[in-house]
Amino acid sequence: EAQVTQNPRYLITVTGKKLTVTCSQNMNHEYMSWYRQDPGLGLRQIYYSMNVEVTDKGDVPEGYKVSRKEKRNFPLILESPSPNQTSLYFCASSLSGANTEAFFGQGTRLTVV
Amino acid sequence: QKEVEQDPGPLSVPEGAIVSLNCTYSNSAFQYFMWYRQYSRKGPELLMYTYSSGNKEDGRFTAQVDKSSKYISLFIRDSQPSDSATYLCSVTGGGNKLTFGTGTQLKVEL
Repeated sequence: EAQVTQNPRYLITVTGKKLTVTCSQNMNHEYMSWYRQDPGLGLRQIYYSMNVEVTDKGDVPEGYKVSRKEKRNFPLILESPSPNQTSLYFCASSLSGANTEAFFGQGTRLTVV
Repeated sequence: QKEVEQDPGPLSVPEGAIVSLNCTYSNSAFQYFMWYRQYSRKGPELLMYTYSSGNKEDGRFTAQVDKSSKYISLFIRDSQPSDSATYLCSVTGGGNKLTFGTGTQLKVEL
């Protein structure tokens, strides 16, 4: 089954404790991206990757890191999480770019206390 | 000014009603316009895709793009309770960044 898999689905952590949210796709897509979704602000793009070893900032990259060492994986790293990073996070992949259909993961609900 | 503006709702309509959802955008370079549907506790899913101006119809759904006024619309005919979801417009100029509206929450009541 074609899918984007994120883990974990739910995470509660403390301020400053490094964490990684994993994202994997099995559709051989070139383009992957991370979004955060907050009430009243909608989906905002954090980082995106056009291909392996090619990443770039989206609209809200501060406090986040990403890497794309393999085509199928695109982890999101929070080196020192803060409470304002409490949010619902989505990973998505597309065949070749932002102008092709995005397939989203199930979401990761992150709470930073 | 936000790149994409969307009325957040919530919008409540009776079953069978025609629903009109709208977004405005600011950048005339945007060429690709999409509507995603998001059910509660799920990730968004593509509903309609339009390139440049014009209309596109798929069953009960019609997407319209008016590039001269930078206005995009989604119409739902004969709305059903299963259409209750959040609808997100999205725009992009090409291969890189994708920008979403804030989403409109729709509830179709029996």
